[in-house]
Amino acid sequence: EIVMTQSPATLSVSPGERATLSCRASRSVTSNLVWYQQRPGQAPRLLIYGASTRATGIPARFSASGSGTEFTLTIRSLQSEDFTVYYCQQYNNWPITFGQGTRLEIK
Amino acid sequence: EVQLVDSGGGLVKPGGSLRLSCAASGFTFSTYNMCWVRQAPGKGLEWVSTISTTSTYIYYADSVKGRFTISRDNAKNSLYLQLNSLRAEDTAVYFCAREGEFYASGNYYKGLDYWGQGTLVTVSS
Repeated sequence: EIVMTQSPATLSVSPGERATLSCRASRSVTSNLVWYQQRPGQAPRLLIYGASTRATGIPARFSASGSGTEFTLTIRSLQSEDFTVYYCQQYNNWPITFGQGTRLEIK
Repeated sequence: EVQLVDSGGGLVKPGGSLRLSCAASGFTFSTYNMCWVRQAPGKGLEWVSTISTTSTYIYYADSVKGRFTISRDNAKNSLYLQLNSLRAEDTAVYFCAREGEFYASGNYYKGLDYWGQGTLVTVSS
């Protein structure tokens, strides 16, 4: 099983600033990496697929990069609605696995 | 508009069974792989199972293999998850999700692009 490790567990950033979230795979997942956002009480929302491509309707302030084992999600000009939980997920190998999540909180 | 509506959750005793349903609309259900993802209270996301378009390929997480059964009825635009031999650690919100396929940079990629609202399964005596 590929273990996905997200860091940090909690990130404190001020509104308007930039947040950088990391996701590491225990072995290569090539570019088969997805990012989701989950707000309280809601289902997850697809943000990024293919490690770096924004899903339909996702604002340009969200960007992502990486391949292999190291991945980054960057959110610039943080808005109030961005302060929530983010998950990475790999589907390069079965079983599909998620990271444990990074909670982005207001500093 | 794409919609996935989860139902069937509830309170069940350890060792009991439950059948979850996911009603799909707004897209050609038979052309998409579908999956179930769960989330224990206050915890992260855990993939449970995936079923291919014609049910040819089915995958399960080790934690549910042999106890849960995923199925689909393309004529009814519905996805199901039969939960047997339930344990306290199966307590979670269960989401159905559509596996989208996307083309970018010369390759095809996947992602869960639409989700149901989730249905809560509580296993307790």
